[in-house]
Amino acid sequence: NAGVTQTPKFQVLKTGQSMTLQCAQDMNHNSMYWYRQDPGMGLRLIYYSASEGTTDKGEVPNGYNVSRLNKREFSLRLESAAPSQTSVYFCASRPQAGNQPQHFGDGTRLSIL
Amino acid sequence: DAKTTQPPSMDCAEGRAANLPCNHSTISGNEYVYWYRQIHSQGPQYIIHGLKNNETNEMASLIITEDRKSSTLILPHATLRDTAVYYCIDLSDSWGKLQFGAGTQVVVTP
Repeated sequence: NAGVTQTPKFQVLKTGQSMTLQCAQDMNHNSMYWYRQDPGMGLRLIYYSASEGTTDKGEVPNGYNVSRLNKREFSLRLESAAPSQTSVYFCASRPQAGNQPQHFGDGTRLSIL
Repeated sequence: DAKTTQPPSMDCAEGRAANLPCNHSTISGNEYVYWYRQIHSQGPQYIIHGLKNNETNEMASLIITEDRKSSTLILPHATLRDTAVYYCIDLSDSWGKLQFGAGTQVVVTP
């Protein structure tokens, strides 16, 4: 049972390059989320998708775009990467609105030089 | 900013119970208390959640005070694998948007 799968696990970019982080879940969950985590800090929400076909901004959306490709997949795109976007990115999903816990992937470690 | 307050760190001896406190000074009546942990930069792992009553599952117990201003996560018999950062979160949004603080770094020692 794979759960939430993120690809790639590691990536190094140069400033100005573009990149898409992929996330897929096999639990038939409706809601999906993208977070970033900087060293020594908690996770911060970038974007979320409450259901297929909808996306909304979180706490730190600037510099990112998202696509909810279908119920399984939710991608995060950096159009022009900046060093400030160096971080660990986590994708999560949960069954539906209401009090159900989120399930997280193992993260993508992104460095921008 | 996170709405909860936790101590930055605590140590626990292997085999003993670990009691992790959390203050929820601004929690409202319909907000649930969630606990997650993060082991060595892996993705956060759900532990337990509750509204008013105390809860127990295979991982831990959750004690919520009657006024709901504080909670305690109890790991009954800590093991070395429980070394992690533990986060308490008030879930204030029906869409499940979690607000993480800095958490408590728990180190379990032999």
